[in-house]
Amino acid sequence: DQQVKQNSPSLSVQEGRISILNCDYTNSMFDYFLWYKKYPAEGPTFLISISSIKDKNEDGRFTVFLNKSAKHLSLHIVPSQPGDSAVYFCAASGRFGNEKLTFGTGTRLTIIP
Amino acid sequence: EPEVTQTPSHQVTQMGQEVILRCVPISNHLYFYWYRQILGQKVEFLVSFYNNEISEKSEIFDDQFSVERPDGSNFTLKIRSTKLEDSAMYFCASSDREGLWQPQHFGDGTRLSIL
Repeated sequence: DQQVKQNSPSLSVQEGRISILNCDYTNSMFDYFLWYKKYPAEGPTFLISISSIKDKNEDGRFTVFLNKSAKHLSLHIVPSQPGDSAVYFCAASGRFGNEKLTFGTGTRLTIIP
Repeated sequence: EPEVTQTPSHQVTQMGQEVILRCVPISNHLYFYWYRQILGQKVEFLVSFYNNEISEKSEIFDDQFSVERPDGSNFTLKIRSTKLEDSAMYFCASSDREGLWQPQHFGDGTRLSIL
């Protein structure tokens, strides 16, 4: 079941530069998309979400872009900081907030000081 | 900031034994979930729970699994007769869907090791 895919298992970015994490999905019924950040020995922490009726959502240093026609979303982190080093999961759900999340496999982001 | 808490952080159990994983969701949340992550794999949905009943369950959530909200604060996952392949991180999550769509918030997980 590969409904949500993150094709890059890892990414290294210089501190202060932009980090771009990508995610693709196949299920047209997904209505909400989320990014979670996960440190070792902790649970996923919600970062930012976007509804399918939007193409961009911004929260501080984090921006998520959604391209519905391409079934693609990306997370931009600007500027990248050492504390951003973590595993980032893309997730998707249906239109109702109580629906299950379908996760991607994650991308390990390393910020190089 | 309110958080989801899970106990224990690590549980070691012999194969065939019963295990109960415990979660205290965020207090005003209405929807509760269990997910698991086998080492090296993606986070997978197990079950969702609302209004004292299961809303949805995955194929993984077979007759060996059950969930319960025994009081106003706890939410438990029971595995009746554990198998080696049940070894995983188990995450509890909760969400509040009053009004606008709300994201799910996760606990730090219980690492379950089956020997």
